[in-house]
Amino acid sequence: AQKITQTQPGMFVQEKEAVTLDCTYDTSDQSYGLFWYKQPSSGEMIFLIYQGSYDEQNATEGRYSLNFQKARKSANLVISASQLGDSAMYFCAMREAFITQGGSEKLVFGKGTKLTVNP
Amino acid sequence: KAGVTQTPRYLIKTRGQQVTLSCSPISGHRSVSWYQQTPGQGLQFLFEYFSETQRNKGNFPGRFSGRQFSNSRSEMNVSTLELGDSALYLCASELHNEQFFGPGTRLTVL
Repeated sequence: AQKITQTQPGMFVQEKEAVTLDCTYDTSDQSYGLFWYKQPSSGEMIFLIYQGSYDEQNATEGRYSLNFQKARKSANLVISASQLGDSAMYFCAMREAFITQGGSEKLVFGKGTKLTVNP
Repeated sequence: KAGVTQTPRYLIKTRGQQVTLSCSPISGHRSVSWYQQTPGQGLQFLFEYFSETQRNKGNFPGRFSGRQFSNSRSEMNVSTLELGDSALYLCASELHNEQFFGPGTRLTVL
């Protein structure tokens, strides 16, 4: 069963506007972590933001914020004031309970959303 | 502080050959994970090493193997290459809930 679902294969946004990239997840663990990564055409995965399942506040990192709705199992990424350099693939990922994974750092990724920022 | 480095960056091989990819994690990071990225399957977990021990393994055939050295550097090996092994291979090291990825090795199998 797919554990991370990103329903938007592609998104377009005007420069300086905000955009929300959707991510829903499926897990039976109480303790898990959610990550967002940006992958430009160069291929490198760039860490953007992390949300722990027990974190009470939504994570923020500069222009990035994570809209975490635990009951809905969603972890949407919000990018404010989009810039042309934000054009890239964006991946949502989850790490399930450290203990049940045998202490593993394994991440499960969604299929990604391609974001295009228009001037 | 240097980031995660991967060598080589690009590689072209033919079917049946074998290949070894290298990953050096950020200094002080003991966990190294490997992922395969293809257009069809997306990002898939290969395996993870911690303190020279394989801690987790993804659903890949035995042709894919890896190891980690005492300095935390890791190598992955693919034997008897198939066309479908063409992919971007990414490694990552982790500290404090941030998995830092290297630039990847793009493998093309002809």
